[in-house]
Amino acid sequence: NAGVMQNPRHLVRRRGQEARLRCSPMKGHSHVYWYRQLPEEGLKFMVYLQKENIIDESGMPKERFSAEFPKEGPSILRIQQVVRGDSAAYFCASSPRQARTNEKLFFGSGTQLSVL
Amino acid sequence: RKEVEQDPGPFNVPEGATVAFNCTYSNSASQSFFWYRQDCRKEPKLLMSVYSSGNEDGRFTAQLNRASQYISLLIRDSKLSDSATYLCVSGYSTLTFGKGTMLLVSP
Repeated sequence: NAGVMQNPRHLVRRRGQEARLRCSPMKGHSHVYWYRQLPEEGLKFMVYLQKENIIDESGMPKERFSAEFPKEGPSILRIQQVVRGDSAAYFCASSPRQARTNEKLFFGSGTQLSVL
Repeated sequence: RKEVEQDPGPFNVPEGATVAFNCTYSNSASQSFFWYRQDCRKEPKLLMSVYSSGNEDGRFTAQLNRASQYISLLIRDSKLSDSATYLCVSGYSTLTFGKGTMLLVSP
């Protein structure tokens, strides 16, 4: 199954630690999107990346959060000095082209981050 | 702020019923429209794209009204397996998801 792969599925961190979430897009997809889903909330866009470039980071919190999609390897969402409010499901999605004019997104299974 | 608004429900219907969901979107520049389905906070899965001309996929019919910025989904002959949260999606370069409408189909 060459779907969108995210790891880990579950990540537990204590307050103040760093969380690293990984996403490998579907084969042939060069566009990656990160979404966050807080408990009892909808999916919120965080960041859109194309290989080696951040295209749109309008949904990223201003501090502690960063994302990258290097030429080789998976996309990484990094959260520094985690706080309890960061506990959420983080979903990655990919597409073969920019998401316009009915370009579908394919989602990974998500990473559930729990901050103790 | 670009929003997609949906009635959260839940919609409780018996098997075999017909149920309709609606949503509105605020970004008039949106070019992409979809309905996704999410089960128990698992990953969203594409249900169908939505076009102005309307489109049908089996028991599911989707419709887009650009003038009113309104999207609809009709499910006929509901099955127990249709129980899920239905996410309305629109956007241009990035996709904005509604919070979802919960459907519960009972025997």
